[in-house]
Order: sequence, then C-alpha cells, then structure tokens
Amino acid sequence: EAGVAQSPRYKIIEKRQSVAFWCNPISGHATLYWYQQILGQGPKLLIQFQNNGVVDDSQLPKDRFSAERLKGVDSTLKIQPAKLEDSAVYLCASSLIRAGGYTFGSGTRLTVV
Amino acid sequence: KNEVEQSPQNLTAQEGEFITINCSYSVGISALHWLQQHPGGGIVSLFMLSSGKKKHGRLIATINIQEKHSSLHITASHPRDSAVYICAVLSGGGADGLTFGKGTHLIIQP
Repeated sequence: EAGVAQSPRYKIIEKRQSVAFWCNPISGHATLYWYQQILGQGPKLLIQFQNNGVVDDSQLPKDRFSAERLKGVDSTLKIQPAKLEDSAVYLCASSLIRAGGYTFGSGTRLTVV
Repeated sequence: KNEVEQSPQNLTAQEGEFITINCSYSVGISALHWLQQHPGGGIVSLFMLSSGKKKHGRLIATINIQEKHSSLHITASHPRDSAVYICAVLSGGGADGLTFGKGTHLIIQP
C-alpha cells in the first residue's frame, strides 16, 4: 500500500512570503493530521481532520496558517505570511479511524530566511 | 494537558548493547506510541500500546498504566538502529492528536 505522500520535500522562502504544503493520505484513511516539528522538539499538532471536517485546530495560528481538506482526501496547509519562527518540518499523518494507528509522511522541511 | 518526558535525551552505545529508553506522562491515556525518526524527518510508527508488552524483532515495548510509564528496549543493538526515538501519547477525549515527547537521540557505534 502506498504511504502518506507529501510535497514539496524542501522549501526555502523569505519572511512575509506565502507557502503551501500538500498531503495525500493513505487511501481510505478518514483522519488526517498536520504536525509542526521545530528543530530539537517533538512534533506539535496543528490541525486534525475527520473526513473533510475539522476536529481540532486549537493550536493552529489562525492569523497566518490555514488548512483545508475539501473532498475529505488530500489536504493543503498554507502559511501567509511566513515568519522566521515558522522554520520547521511539517508532518502529515493519517489513520484509518480516530485514535487508530498512525502512518506519517516524510515531511516538508521549511526554511524561512 | 499531558506532559510527556523522555529519558535519556541522548544515548551513545556500542554495537550489541541492550538499550532502554524511558517515557513518562502526567495524565491518563488511551494509547501510547513509540516512533522512530531518521535524519530527514520521516517518522515510522514502531508500536502502539494500551497495556502490557509488545515485541517486534529486536524491539520490545512495555507500558505500566498505573505508573504512567513506558519503556522501549532494543536488544543486540546495531548501528542501523541509530535514530531519534519518540514517545507520543493519545489522551483521548474529543480530539485524537498525539502529544509528543522531545525524543531520545540514539547513536550505536560499531
């Protein structure tokens, strides 16, 4: 079975620019998560989708971050405008059911300069 | 909010040694995950536990729900085991996002 696909793999942008990340979960996985992992720290949940609905976005900085999963399959995470402190690895994960086993993507490493 | 603590933060050992990584958490959970992260960011799920013990190859994971503690053991360690090992807990309730520890950076020297 194909894994969780993420793109791009790496991205370098200047502060105040915009950036978007894409995630395609494992086929049939209803639950999709976006995590932010700053260097030296464990990942932090940004947003959780169940199909195309948001379950938890309490830690998403909504003034600059947005995410959507319009058809309940793939998802995009956008940052507009980016700040230096947004430099991190953005991980997407999916699970078949809520609170089930997770499969993680390889992540997108964002560097904001 | 669950606090997840891992120890040690860094561990260097010789090939063949028995490795133990510990994880403790502050609030009752519905499940605990052990994850492996290699340089470059990709994360692989090793175990999901809610009680007792699981074994896969040279890896063993145990959890003590009463003591809010879990351990990951690696037997006959090998340089390819070098990675960051992360403990993450699922607290239950309405949201299912994991709360992660900061990870244990393991280096196995030949």
